[in-house]
Amino acid sequence: QSALTQPASVSGSPGQSITISCTGTSSDVGDYNYVSWYQQHPGKAPKLMIYEVSNRPSGVSNRFSGSKSGNTASLTISGLQAEDEADYYCSSYTSGSTRYVFGTGTKVTVL
Amino acid sequence: QVHLVESGGGLIQPGRSLRLSCAASGFTFSSYAMHWVRQAPGKGLEWVALILYDGSNKYYADSVKGRITISRDNSKNTLYLQMNSLRVEDTAVYYCAGSGYPYTMDVWGQGTTVTVSS
Repeated sequence: QSALTQPASVSGSPGQSITISCTGTSSDVGDYNYVSWYQQHPGKAPKLMIYEVSNRPSGVSNRFSGSKSGNTASLTISGLQAEDEADYYCSSYTSGSTRYVFGTGTKVTVL
Repeated sequence: QVHLVESGGGLIQPGRSLRLSCAASGFTFSSYAMHWVRQAPGKGLEWVALILYDGSNKYYADSVKGRITISRDNSKNTLYLQMNSLRVEDTAVYYCAGSGYPYTMDVWGQGTTVTVSS
C-alpha cells in the first residue's frame, strides 16, 4: 500500500487561504468517504482536524474545511494564522489488507 | 479528560523484542477501536496496526506483518504492541490512537520512542 501523495510544502500570508491536496487511488480516497486530516506541530502528537472528508471535530476552528473529488481530497485553511504553521497529513481507509494509509505530509508555512 | 499514555520504549539491539503499552483513561476504552502509528525521525506518519473494540479483528501494515502483534486488555484499559525481530528501520516514535469517531483517529497519546541500534 503506497502512501497518499501530498505536496511537500504550501505557504501563504496571514489572512489568505491555502489548499492542500491528497491524491490516492480508487482503492482508498476514491472509494471511501473516510478521509481524515491531521495537524502536527514540531515535537507534538498529531491532532485530528477533519474526518469523513469534511466533518470537523468539536473544538476545531471552522477555518478548516475538507472536500473530495474522485481520488483527490483537499484541506482548505481560510484566514491563515501564524498558529496554523505545522505539518499536515491526510489519511484514508483502504480496501487493502492494511486498512489505513497516511499521506506523505505537507509543511505549511505562514509567511 | 481523555488521556492516552504510552510506555515501554527505549534503546534496543536489532533482532530483540520489545512490548509497548498504552494506558487509557477518561473514556470508555472498550468501545474504541485502537491504532498504533509510528513516525521515524524526520519522516511522516506511518500507520502500523489496528485492533477493533473487542479485539475480534486485527490489521497490520505490510512493513510489520509477521513481526508485530497488537492486543488489548479491556479490563485494564490498556493497549499493547509486541514487536519482535526488531530492525533498525523500526526506529521511530510510536503513538497509540483511538477511534471515537468511526474510521479516524481522534484521541492520541504523546508517543514513546523506540531506537533500534547495535
